Amino acid sequence: SQQGEEDPQALSIQEGENATMNCSYKTSINNLQWYRQNSGRGLVHLILIRSNEREKHSGRLRVTLDTSKKSSSLLITASRAADTASYFCATDAKGGGNKLTFGTGTQLKVEL
Amino acid sequence: EAGVTQSPTHLIKTRGQQATLRCSPISGHTSVYWYQQALGLGLQFLLWYDEGEERNRGNFPPRFSGRQFPNYSSELNVNALELEDSALYLCASSSDRARTEAFFGQGTRLTVV
Repeated sequence: SQQGEEDPQALSIQEGENATMNCSYKTSINNLQWYRQNSGRGLVHLILIRSNEREKHSGRLRVTLDTSKKSSSLLITASRAADTASYFCATDAKGGGNKLTFGTGTQLKVEL
Repeated sequence: EAGVTQSPTHLIKTRGQQATLRCSPISGHTSVYWYQQALGLGLQFLLWYDEGEERNRGNFPPRFSGRQFPNYSSELNVNALELEDSALYLCASSSDRARTEAFFGQGTRLTVV
């Protein structure tokens, strides 16, 4: 079963707007990672946030982690058409044997 | 620096046959992971290899197997193929067993007819 659940399932915005995606999970984690997938191809690693971190930035990406609520958010600022993709969160659960458990994904469409 | 490479890109097999998928990790990475992304089921963990040993296995039947070679490349074998095995198979690597920051290849699209 999927531990992570992304919300929303799909998001459509205009270029230049910000996009926020949320992820909830169920167990204690070592870290949480966000990935992007274009058109059913490989996953691109975006950012990793450890369980003792609350916020992390990388370029136009901002990730937050609230371990008390078992949730994370990914914010993409000033979105571009090239950001159109599916976005997944993946958790590395404590004692999980290095297995990443992926959420169901958010399909982001950025329109010109 | 080359990323994770997978071959073949596409593979079409008949039900009951065997499929072999290959993965070369990023240079210097010792851990290799296999995931299955089937339509409607999302990304599911299959196998983790590190230093030539199977370290963890997902909830898949024994006909899904693999190995890791001394150069850290890996093979995934699927025996007695079933139609439901049709999926994108993704390989990822990480620098050592303590790190799960995994970098993925482009995948092998397996179609079973």
